[in-house]
Amino acid sequence: NAGVTQTPKFRVLKTGQSMTLLCAQDMNHEYMYWYRQDPGMGLRLIHYSVGEGTTAKGEVPDGYNVSRLKKQNFLLGLESAAPSQTSVYFCAISGGLVSYEQYFGPGTRLTVT
Amino acid sequence: GNSVTQMEGPVTLSEEAFLTINCTYTATGYPSLFWYVQYPGEGLQLLLKATKADDKGSNKGFEATYRKETTSFHLEKGSVQVSDSAVYFCALSALIQGAQKLVFGQGTRLTINP
Repeated sequence: NAGVTQTPKFRVLKTGQSMTLLCAQDMNHEYMYWYRQDPGMGLRLIHYSVGEGTTAKGEVPDGYNVSRLKKQNFLLGLESAAPSQTSVYFCAISGGLVSYEQYFGPGTRLTVT
Repeated sequence: GNSVTQMEGPVTLSEEAFLTINCTYTATGYPSLFWYVQYPGEGLQLLLKATKADDKGSNKGFEATYRKETTSFHLEKGSVQVSDSAVYFCALSALIQGAQKLVFGQGTRLTINP
C-alpha cells in the first residue's frame, strides 16, 4: 500500500494495559495520519502530523497520544486501554498541500478485553 | 462545513450488472474528490480522483465525474465482476484548521454474486 507499513497487525490487550502502534513510510511524505474504523462509523481521524516534530488532534483524540520524532515514523500510543478502543487502526500518508490523496497502511486490529 | 453523504448499503448485484453508488458533498471552497475501495481485511486503496469541476476520474473500469452544479461525484461501472465486491468510500479533501484532511462518507458495501 504505497510504502506504508503498520506494526503489529493484530493485538489483544486487557483493560488498563498500554501499547504503541508504529506506522512507517518510505515515500518521504510530509503528512501522516492515524484513523480508527468502527462498524457503521466510517473512518475517524484520531491525530495527525504535518511534518517531523509536529502533531495535532483530530476528531477523536481522547485516550491516545502520538509522536513524530522522525519523518518516516508516526507512533500512536494508548496509555490505558479501554474496551471502547477496540477497533481497526489505519495509518495514512499524503504529500499534504502538494498532493491531497492519502495512502493507507494495511491496518492494526486491536481488541481490548 | 464539509461533509460527504453516500448511498447506504449494502448493495447486492449480479455479475455484469451496471453499478452506481451515489455520493454528494458539501464543502467550503473547491475540494478534490476521491473514491477509495477497501477489500476484506485490507486498508483503503485510492480508486480514482478528480481535482476540479467536470473532471472525470477513471480506473479499473470505474468512473466518476466531478459535478459542481449538483455537488456530486457518483461512482459508476458498466459491468461489475465478483472481484469488485468490497466497501467503497467517497471522500473530499479540505483545508481544515490549516491542514489538508480527508472527509469520508460512511462507506457502501458492495456484493457481486456470480
